[in-house]
Amino acid sequence: GIQVEQSPPDLILQEGANSTLRCNFSDSVNNLQWFHQNPWGQLINLFYIPSGTKQNGRLSATTVATERYSLLYISSSQTTDSGVYFCAVGKSNYQLIWGAGTKLIIKP
Amino acid sequence: DTEVTQTPKHLVMGMTNKKSLKCEQHMGHRAMYWYKQKAKKPPELMFVYSYEKLSINESVPSRFSPECPNSSLLNLHLHALQPEDSALYLCASSSRTLGNTQYFGPGTRLTVL
Repeated sequence: GIQVEQSPPDLILQEGANSTLRCNFSDSVNNLQWFHQNPWGQLINLFYIPSGTKQNGRLSATTVATERYSLLYISSSQTTDSGVYFCAVGKSNYQLIWGAGTKLIIKP
Repeated sequence: DTEVTQTPKHLVMGMTNKKSLKCEQHMGHRAMYWYKQKAKKPPELMFVYSYEKLSINESVPSRFSPECPNSSLLNLHLHALQPEDSALYLCASSSRTLGNTQYFGPGTRLTVL
């Protein structure tokens, strides 16, 4: 099956810093989503991005499908950005293969 | 309305109890999902309903029984659970017109004693 690797596993930053999270996957996919899970467990979909680049405020994402990786950029970090960021990929309509996540802590 | 709601938020049950988790969405999505998430792990897919029909069952034990009464509601019936079933249970929904972007509810934290 498809393998999904996220790096780094943990990241601690000061408020205002920028960060880049990476997701590598082992096979071609037609579905790639980035999620943020806050400390209370709520999962929020950040991007649906099987290819190309998207931006939403301080967050942006790029997927290079031919090289099988995706990057999530967070600029000017805020404490509310803390939590776990998951990358999930898939070939089918419904089944996503999830990475182990990157735990981000933003210190005030 | 881009919200998926789940009830209850917390549930404590004994191994002989029968309980149900409920999920509701009014976004017109025709796919709905149940996930189980253990601490410090990613969500694990349990079931997928597409157009109110069970589409995917990821070999989940029969003590978990899903039900989709209509296109907006999804239930998960629990019976004779084990302590290792304690977890966060997440419901999600998606639409093909949005690339099957999954929208999650806040989850139910289940503790089995």
